[in-house]
Amino acid sequence: DIQMTQSPSSLSASVGDRVTITCRASQTISNCLNWYQQKPGKAPKLLIYAASSLESGVPSRFSGSGSATDFTLTISSLQPEDFATYYCQQTCSTLRTFGQGTKVEIK
Amino acid sequence: EVQLLESGGGLVQPGGSLRLSCAASGFTFINYAMSWVRQDPGKGLEWVSAISASGGTTYYADSVKGRFTISRDNSKNTLYLQMNSLRAEDTAVYYCAKEVVATVDDRRFFDLWGRGTLVTVSS
Repeated sequence: DIQMTQSPSSLSASVGDRVTITCRASQTISNCLNWYQQKPGKAPKLLIYAASSLESGVPSRFSGSGSATDFTLTISSLQPEDFATYYCQQTCSTLRTFGQGTKVEIK
Repeated sequence: EVQLLESGGGLVQPGGSLRLSCAASGFTFINYAMSWVRQDPGKGLEWVSAISASGGTTYYADSVKGRFTISRDNSKNTLYLQMNSLRAEDTAVYYCAKEVVATVDDRRFFDLWGRGTLVTVSS
């Protein structure tokens, strides 16, 4: 199975900060990497698919990059509504595994 | 309205069984693969199982293989998850999710999720 490891597990940031979350795959997955945002009590929401493609309706302050085993989600200027938990997911394998999540909290 | 609505969760004893349903509306269900994803309260997401659009191919996480069965009825626009031999560690909110394949490079992602149904396994 392909394991996905996110870092950090949590971070504290202020409104306006640039935030970067990383995701590493245990083996190469080309660009089969998606990012989701989840707020408490809500279902996950797709932000980025295929490593760098922005889902329709998602603000342009969100961006994704990377390929093979190392990927990054960047929020260019953190907004109050962005405080949430973020998950990466690989879909190259038939077993579509998620990372453990990164919680973005208010500093 | 495009939506997925799960049902069938509840309290069940260890070793028991439960069947979850996911009713789809607002899109052509038969065109899409579907997945179940679960989340232990306060913890992360765990992909559980997937089924192809036709229902002919299924996949399972190692943690549920041999105990859970995914299926679908395309005439009823409904996805199912039959859960047998339930354990305490199966306690979670179970989400169904619609899987899309990008036209450019065939990359897969989940673009629509239900609100989830809570399964509690406890004596």
